[in-house]
Amino acid sequence: GQQVQQSPSSLVLQEGENAELQCNFSSTATQLQWFYQSPGGSLVSLLSNPSGTKHTGRLTSTTVTKERRSSLHISSSQTTDSGTYLCAIDYNQGKLIFGQGTKLSIKP
Amino acid sequence: DPKIIQKPKYLVAVTGSEKILICEQYLGHNAMYWYRQSAKKPLEFMFSYSYQKLMDNQTASSRFQPQSSKKNHLDLQITALKPDDSATYFCASSQDRRNTEVFFGKGTRLTVV
Repeated sequence: GQQVQQSPSSLVLQEGENAELQCNFSSTATQLQWFYQSPGGSLVSLLSNPSGTKHTGRLTSTTVTKERRSSLHISSSQTTDSGTYLCAIDYNQGKLIFGQGTKLSIKP
Repeated sequence: DPKIIQKPKYLVAVTGSEKILICEQYLGHNAMYWYRQSAKKPLEFMFSYSYQKLMDNQTASSRFQPQSSKKNHLDLQITALKPDDSATYFCASSQDRRNTEVFFGKGTRLTVV
């Protein structure tokens, strides 16, 4: 079936280091979104990036559609970046399929 | 200022009872959705609506019934509640049903005892 695989499952960094999160998907994606889920559970859309490279603030997402992968780069990490990062794919079915997430912990 | 409002934030229900989860969006979107997140499982799609019409239903049980009284409302009625229904239920919306950015509400955390 259509799947979304994220890696690593968890990542611990020191404040100021850069984070690189990966998302692999099983067939052609017509929509790809990166979300941040806070420890309290709220979901925030970070980037919508079905192809190419997009930047917002300290975040950069690069999606290579032919290779069925996307990355999320967080530069100069801060303790407030701690939480779970979710990759979600729409395979042109009008619904998002979510990965298991990467739990990011930033130590001061 | 939240644009997708879900009520209540927390809900405790007794097994066998019925509850309604409320969702309103003020983004002017045409498509609305319900997703569920159970403990240690990925977020999973439940329903999608477009212009107040049901487009997709991925729930196996008829105990889950979405209700759309207005274009910007999509409530979720759950009957005969079971402990396995305990989860956080997220309402979401997007401009159109396919290939547009999806925005989520803060969720309703349901605990069935």
